[in-house]
Amino acid sequence: DADVTQTPRNRITKTGKRIMLECSQTKGHDRMYWYRQDPGLGLRLIYYSFDVKDINKGEISDGYSVSRQAQAKFSLSLESAIPNQTALYFCATSYRDEQYFGPGTRLTVT
Amino acid sequence: AQSVTQLGSHVSVSEGALVLLRCNYSSSVPPYLFWYVQYPNQGLQLLLKYTTGATLVKGINGFEAEFKKSETSFHLTKPSAHMSDAAEYFCASGDSGAGSYQLTFGKGTKLSVIP
Repeated sequence: DADVTQTPRNRITKTGKRIMLECSQTKGHDRMYWYRQDPGLGLRLIYYSFDVKDINKGEISDGYSVSRQAQAKFSLSLESAIPNQTALYFCATSYRDEQYFGPGTRLTVT
Repeated sequence: AQSVTQLGSHVSVSEGALVLLRCNYSSSVPPYLFWYVQYPNQGLQLLLKYTTGATLVKGINGFEAEFKKSETSFHLTKPSAHMSDAAEYFCASGDSGAGSYQLTFGKGTKLSVIP
């Protein structure tokens, strides 16, 4: 089984809808991250969490919110999806100086 | 603020030829540096990293990179390209004082290998 899992893997939604992307990990790491990847732009950090009570905004947090339900779970929400949030979203965990990525969620907002 | 620049969004090499993917960073403190690879429809996988010590680091699949402080570079090389190396490669830097708390990624270089 994968150490970092993301659900759903693919999602198509309409403008204005609320959507949640979920991330679970079995690595036992405290630190978790959400990134979005756009072609030609690399990965950009949306939010990160050092533990259940410590959540921080990243470079591009506007339009997103997160919830750290437990050490193993970190969810990303789009309160009202818009087309320019169409992207590939990655969850990651880290321990010391390495990050471990999930397989990604491809989100399309029409 | 840190920044990472990858020269060339797309690089093509022949099978068996040298692979050279360029990465330059800017950082006010000694950085941690990483190369990740992304195969189609997959997440990112760590290829190699530089934190401290030896400036030439070896990674998986025959890749290596050299940290050159004077040139603020961390270029990725492989002596002989294989078809299986076709993927997108990302260079990233982290604040050595914070480890991987926050990584700054380059925009990526897509490597094509021509048979």
